[in-house]
Amino acid sequence: DAMVIQNPRYQVTQFGKPVTLSCSQTLNHNVMYWYQQKSSQAPKLLFHYYDKDFNNEADTPDNFQSRRPNTSFCFLDIRSPGLGDAAMYLCATSRVPFGLASTDTQYFGPGTRLTVL
Amino acid sequence: GESVGLHLPTLSVQEGDNSIINCAYSNSASDYFIWYKQESGKGPQFIIDIRSNMDKRQGQRVTVLLNKTVKHLSLQIAATQPGDSAVYFCAENKFRSGGSNYKLTFGKGTLLTVNP
Repeated sequence: DAMVIQNPRYQVTQFGKPVTLSCSQTLNHNVMYWYQQKSSQAPKLLFHYYDKDFNNEADTPDNFQSRRPNTSFCFLDIRSPGLGDAAMYLCATSRVPFGLASTDTQYFGPGTRLTVL
Repeated sequence: GESVGLHLPTLSVQEGDNSIINCAYSNSASDYFIWYKQESGKGPQFIIDIRSNMDKRQGQRVTVLLNKTVKHLSLQIAATQPGDSAVYFCAENKFRSGGSNYKLTFGKGTLLTVNP
């Protein structure tokens, strides 16, 4: 009964080699988020989609991109991974309709651990 | 701002004791708060939430207390068990202008270790 699914759970890539991480959800939620979490730190929001509307955080490097082809799926693309991009990448979803609803829970997937060699 | 730093606050308790994990939040306008539990190698798991019009909410073995006067949040775990060992994050839903209206901002996290 997994609700937010991330694949793969572990990903190894080489320095500079593009990599794509996948997230899918069975909750039919409007919003999907991508977070980066480094060791012993809190999750850091990279960007999110409200339906098809992409919302980037101001401090997210251009090296990180995202695609949401439909409600269920969202992808994180890292165009040229550096050693500093090694981290856990978390996908989350919430129901929030566009513009309102401050009280809405985010549900997280299990994460993808990215290693950059 | 975002949480930074390599050293998590830690709390070590004996199995069966009650645990209290504290969190200070930054924005007096925040109106929704969530506690997450994150076990090693896993994503954050929702534990309990509370809205700003409440000062206490209880779940199964967990209680969240909200003190808006001093912008303080706490999570109480009754009869702590080894399976409760994890990092606990508080998160506040902060209003901001531009783009989406709200952003969930995480605190630093507290590592809870339960000794059998």
